[in-house]
Amino acid sequence: GAGVSQTPSNKVTEKGKYVELRCDPISGHTALYWYRQSLGQGPEFLIYFQGTGAADDSGLPNDRFFAVRPEGSVSTLKIQRTERGDSAVYLCASSLNPGLAGYNEQFFGPGTRLTVL
Amino acid sequence: KQEVTQIPAALSVPEGENLVLNCSFTDSAIYNLQWFRQDPGKGLTSLLLIQSSQREQTSGRLNASLDKSSGRSTLYIAASQPGDSATYLCAVHGSSNTGKLIFGQGTTLQVKP
Repeated sequence: GAGVSQTPSNKVTEKGKYVELRCDPISGHTALYWYRQSLGQGPEFLIYFQGTGAADDSGLPNDRFFAVRPEGSVSTLKIQRTERGDSAVYLCASSLNPGLAGYNEQFFGPGTRLTVL
Repeated sequence: KQEVTQIPAALSVPEGENLVLNCSFTDSAIYNLQWFRQDPGKGLTSLLLIQSSQREQTSGRLNASLDKSSGRSTLYIAASQPGDSATYLCAVHGSSNTGKLIFGQGTTLQVKP
């Protein structure tokens, strides 16, 4: 596709439920990032994939959050036992090569708005 | 720990004005700095990216400058238009090259016709 896509665009769930959020990066981008944005705040980093592996997961808030990218393309962010405080917009971004000037610009998807009731 | 601050938090100007948005960061050892635009309820659109070796970048009516030594970047918007109304975010990419961006809280701009 031409840009980063994310599904669903909106997700409403109940406290304690499990959710999966999907990100489809720009074709050919090896790097994929997940961020979380609360109302009125800038996005906060969650996790970064280089290829299939999580190169930096230091932003995941706790062990209820997990992400995978099994084939080095599509990624899924998984949240177990959701809490009301997990409500936010979850943004995905991709880049060609974060370590190479000229190829490290990050391009963002439209986000998934998660509401936990 | 890198912290990014954007001032002002909100700005309202009449159409046609030139304006400057400010971004400061606490650790000058950055890899690059990226400016984004975010419309309400939407994702982020990349506007300009400045590599650490560069001093400025220009795209149309937008000009972004970078002064690493003082930990500052500015986004200059010339001849502002109502369509420029949005939230503008700056983000720094740390020198450790982990890939993660650290964002400021944004400046919400309103350009009045």
